[in-house]
Amino acid sequence: ETGVTQSPTHLIKTRGQQVTLRCSSQSGHNTVSWYQQALGQGPQFIFQYYREEENGRGNFPPRFSGLQFPNYSSELNVNALELDDSALYLCASSSGTSGGTEQFFGPGTRLTVL
Amino acid sequence: KNEVEQSPQNLTAQEGEFITINCSYSVGISALHWLQQHPGGGIVSLFMLSSGKKKHGRLIATINIQEKHSSLHITASHPRDSAVYICAVREGAGSYQLTFGKGTKLSVIP
Repeated sequence: ETGVTQSPTHLIKTRGQQVTLRCSSQSGHNTVSWYQQALGQGPQFIFQYYREEENGRGNFPPRFSGLQFPNYSSELNVNALELDDSALYLCASSSGTSGGTEQFFGPGTRLTVL
Repeated sequence: KNEVEQSPQNLTAQEGEFITINCSYSVGISALHWLQQHPGGGIVSLFMLSSGKKKHGRLIATINIQEKHSSLHITASHPRDSAVYICAVREGAGSYQLTFGKGTKLSVIP
């Protein structure tokens, strides 16, 4: 059984650029959630994908968008990057969408915006 | 929106000490998670609980639903326990969103 993987591990971009981050969910999991963790803060929920549809969204602007593919892997896209987008981006997969479902986290992608 | 507060923010302990990290939240929840984050970012789920107490090895997690409070205890602490411990809550049973505390940074000194 493979765990949650993310790519790339590190990324440097400049303000105004666009970025795509990738997440492969754990085998058997159909739900992926994305989180942003600024330095020294707890993660913040961006959105969740369930069976290729967005299932819920946190307080993030539309320039944060995502996709989920038939194999349940997922992408997070961020357009018009801002300096404050510099953070660790975490994805987590689970076999359900709510309640007591345990989430399994990937190692994260550290994004630096200059 | 749930407010999740953790205390202390930073904790330094001698190897072998008993450690307690606290988490309080403002709105009723369906589940509470304790997570461990090592330098470099990877997060490991330690416990998910909605009532009572759970134990795994040297780790014990308790929750008091009426008090809206949870504690994570580490017995016989070891330097390898050094990490950031994060509390996260899920509100209603149909809720998909986790709200996280800022974390408690634990350093265990040999």
